Amino acid sequence: GAGVSQSPSNKVTEKGKDVELRCDPISGHTALYWYRQSLGQGLEFLIYFQGNSAPDKSGLPSDRFSAERTGGSVSTLTIQRTQQEDSAVYLCASSLALSQAGAFFGQGTRLTVV
Amino acid sequence: QQQVKQSPQSLIVQKGGISIINCAYENTAFDYFPWYQQFPGKGPALLIAIRPDVSEKKEGRFTISFNKSAKQFSLHIMDSQPGDSATYFCAASRAGTALIFGKGTTLSVSS
Repeated sequence: GAGVSQSPSNKVTEKGKDVELRCDPISGHTALYWYRQSLGQGLEFLIYFQGNSAPDKSGLPSDRFSAERTGGSVSTLTIQRTQQEDSAVYLCASSLALSQAGAFFGQGTRLTVV
Repeated sequence: QQQVKQSPQSLIVQKGGISIINCAYENTAFDYFPWYQQFPGKGPALLIAIRPDVSEKKEGRFTISFNKSAKQFSLHIMDSQPGDSATYFCAASRAGTALIFGKGTTLSVSS
């Protein structure tokens, strides 16, 4: 596709449920990132995939959060047993190798936990 | 530990004026410094970026000034327009790592 695609665009879930957020990066981009943006806040790094290297998971806030990237392309961010504090916009970005060419963001998934 | 500090948090500029947003970083291994622009309900969009081997980069009305010794860089928006009203984020990274973002600056350009 022409840009980074994220789905769903909005997700409302009940506290305690699991959710899966999907990201389709720009074709050919080997690096993929997940960030979280709470209302009026900055971008909090969650996880980073680079090619076949082990992902950098240092930003994941708890073991309820996990992510995978299949076939070096599509990525899924999973949040288990969602809590109200998980409510935020989850942003995915992709870039060419080594992230030195600029990361391009999707529109985000707005997650609301009720 | 906040690796990239951005100021001010918010900024109001008159149409035609100069908007200046500043960022300071701590990690001397950072070698890539982009600025992103975000409109409400949209993802951040890459605006302009600089590497530490140059002190200034200009693209249209947007200029990055970079001071390696002070570990600071800034975004200047010349002839600011109402359409520039958005949130701006500075960021930094080193090769092979994710971007670390500042907390953002909300710019309002009054007409």
